[in-house]
Amino acid sequence: AQRVTQPEKLLSVFKGAPVELKCNYSYSGSPELFWYVQYSRQRLQLLLRHISRESIKGFTADLNKGETSFHLKKPFAQEEDSAMYYCALRSGNTPLVFGKGTRLSVIA
Amino acid sequence: ETGVTQSPTHLIKTRGQQVTLRCSSQSGHNTVSWYQQALGQGPQFIFQYYREEENGRGNFPPRFSGLQFPNYSSELNVNALELDDSALYLCASSLSPSRAENEQFFGPGTRLTVL
Repeated sequence: AQRVTQPEKLLSVFKGAPVELKCNYSYSGSPELFWYVQYSRQRLQLLLRHISRESIKGFTADLNKGETSFHLKKPFAQEEDSAMYYCALRSGNTPLVFGKGTRLSVIA
Repeated sequence: ETGVTQSPTHLIKTRGQQVTLRCSSQSGHNTVSWYQQALGQGPQFIFQYYREEENGRGNFPPRFSGLQFPNYSSELNVNALELDDSALYLCASSLSPSRAENEQFFGPGTRLTVL
C-alpha cells in the first residue's frame, strides 16, 4: 500500500535559517512525488513535483529512492513561507495519497 | 480563467441527515476528484469523476456518492451522516485523468460539521 509519512507536525525556524521538511514514502514501484502548500486562508496548491526538478519560491526537493524520501528544502526561510505543507505520492493514474502535513512557522 | 469553486462554504447537519456538496471545475477541465480532510489530517481521496463516469474510488462506504454533469461540475452526496463525517471536503479539477495532464487544482473546500 502507498503511504506518505511526514514526521513533524510543526516546524519552527528563524527567518534566514535553513528549512528542511521531511517526507518519507512507502511504495515499491516508481512513484511521482509532490509537495503541496496551503497558506493561511488560501486553497491548497501545488508547490513542486519531483519530475520537474525545478526550484519554486526557493524550495527544492530531491527524490531519494534508496531512502524513499522526498524532503523539501530551502536555504533561507522567509516569513511568507509560513504555511501548511503536504507531501503527496501518486503512481500511474492512481489518486494522490497525502501525508498528514507539517506546519512551518518562520519566526522573525 | 475561472478557478475551482465550491458551495456552500460551511454547513451544519445532524446525524442521520443527508448532504449535497457542489463543485464547479476550472474552465476546460473534465475531471473532478473529491477529498475528505479531517482535522489534523491530510486530504484523503474519496472518488474521481471523468466525463460523467466514476473513475476510481477510495476507501469510503457507499453512502458517499457522486455525480458529474455535462458541464463537468460535480456533486458529492453523503447519506446517513455520522459524527466522523465532520471534515473539510475538497474538490479538485484537472485537464484529464491521465498522468501527464493530471495536475489538480483545488477549490477552497466546504466545511461540514455533523452534530
